[in-house]
Amino acid sequence: EAGVTQFPSHSVIEKGQTVTLRCDPISGHDNLYWYRRVMGKEIKFLLHFVKESKQDESGMPNNRFLAERTGGTYSTLKVQPAELEDSGVYFCASSYAGIEAFFGQGTRLTVV
Amino acid sequence: AQSVTQLGSHVSVSEGALVLLRCNYSSSVPPYLFWYVQYPNQGLQLLLKYTSAATLVKGINGFEAEFKKSETSFHLTKPSAHMSDAAEYFCAVSERGGGADGLTFGKGTHLIIQP
Repeated sequence: EAGVTQFPSHSVIEKGQTVTLRCDPISGHDNLYWYRRVMGKEIKFLLHFVKESKQDESGMPNNRFLAERTGGTYSTLKVQPAELEDSGVYFCASSYAGIEAFFGQGTRLTVV
Repeated sequence: AQSVTQLGSHVSVSEGALVLLRCNYSSSVPPYLFWYVQYPNQGLQLLLKYTSAATLVKGINGFEAEFKKSETSFHLTKPSAHMSDAAEYFCAVSERGGGADGLTFGKGTHLIIQP
């Protein structure tokens, strides 16, 4: 069974550009989470989907970040326009009915 | 508000020695507690979790952790370190449940195994 898959694994973009990160959860998992680790800091919660609905987006840093989960399957996280402080590793996780969550390998975003 | 403190950003032990990674938490309600591990170039993997059942929790790869409410601690131990244990370890707390909902992570501890 495939795990949580994130694309791309690495992305280097210039300040002001747009980047879209994708997360494919484990099939059948209704809960999907986004987390972020900025260099040298803790991993921090961004938001939580239950199916296609945003259950909690209290961790989203500002309106440059837009997350979607159309159809309740994969999710995208768009950063537009990207700033230097957005650099970090973005993790996605999924779970079924809020039981054990499985994390993806993360997308390392570097904004230069 | 919940928070997690991991003592020591780097811990070095000899192969075969005891591993002890410290985690203290604060929570306004009975917490759910987790230890995750990240091996190089891999994602976060759940080692073990405490969800108000037994206070001594056994996880994968020989790791275990003990929930001590009086000390607000959830330290991770392994009796004998192996080279393959070299990784970064994260303690996390949630007030919402046993999944990944609203997890608050510590800063992580790099475990270094000396041959």
